[in-house]
Amino acid sequence: GQNIDQPTEMTATEGAIVQINCTYQTSGFNGLFWYQQHAGEAPTFLSYNVLDGLEEKGRFSSFLSRSKGYSYLLLKELQMKDSASYLCAAITNAGKSTFGDGTTLTVKP
Amino acid sequence: GAVVSQHPSWVICKSGTSVKIECRSLDFQATTMFWYRQFPKQSLMLMATSNEGSKATYEQGVEKDKFLINHASLTLSTLTVTSAHPEDSSFYICSAHSGGTDTQYFGPGTRLTVL
Repeated sequence: GQNIDQPTEMTATEGAIVQINCTYQTSGFNGLFWYQQHAGEAPTFLSYNVLDGLEEKGRFSSFLSRSKGYSYLLLKELQMKDSASYLCAAITNAGKSTFGDGTTLTVKP
Repeated sequence: GAVVSQHPSWVICKSGTSVKIECRSLDFQATTMFWYRQFPKQSLMLMATSNEGSKATYEQGVEKDKFLINHASLTLSTLTVTSAHPEDSSFYICSAHSGGTDTQYFGPGTRLTVL
């Protein structure tokens, strides 16, 4: 079966750092995606982790622990435009992705 | 990065009519495309996996006779919502895998409103 959990909502201040956690229980797990989705738009790709560890890409970093079934997305130097929904998705060896319900991040001035 | 397009971007139709949504990979060949549905304030739900040259694989609870999928070429998959009803109103999003990677590229989505 597949089960993805992430917080429903988070609020942070402009310029700050926020960490969005995601836990998963996925049969045949192959990797984990993070997407950003603004209201009314399709998701856009942020990161993909297959191996354990931290991958940094500009202001965004993503971490994966396969043994713990845990990932997080770290956003630094928050900007107002970062207000969006952040989706984590686990992909199986068969290429099928299961999405979490998304975390709505609100960045306040 | 890879580009995936969808057409139309939005459509309004009367109950009982059929609507076709196209998903195209513009700069790469996609042997597999995925169709998702997203209701307001909810996450993406996978409807079906579309494989070029073969029948689509539908997720549990998705009616294959209502949501017809055709993957006629390596760059085009279509989803036809047959006999649409107001409860089919949703945001339909396709995605495609770029060859050799696991990365999914999403189309911009099609917002369907059934009156």
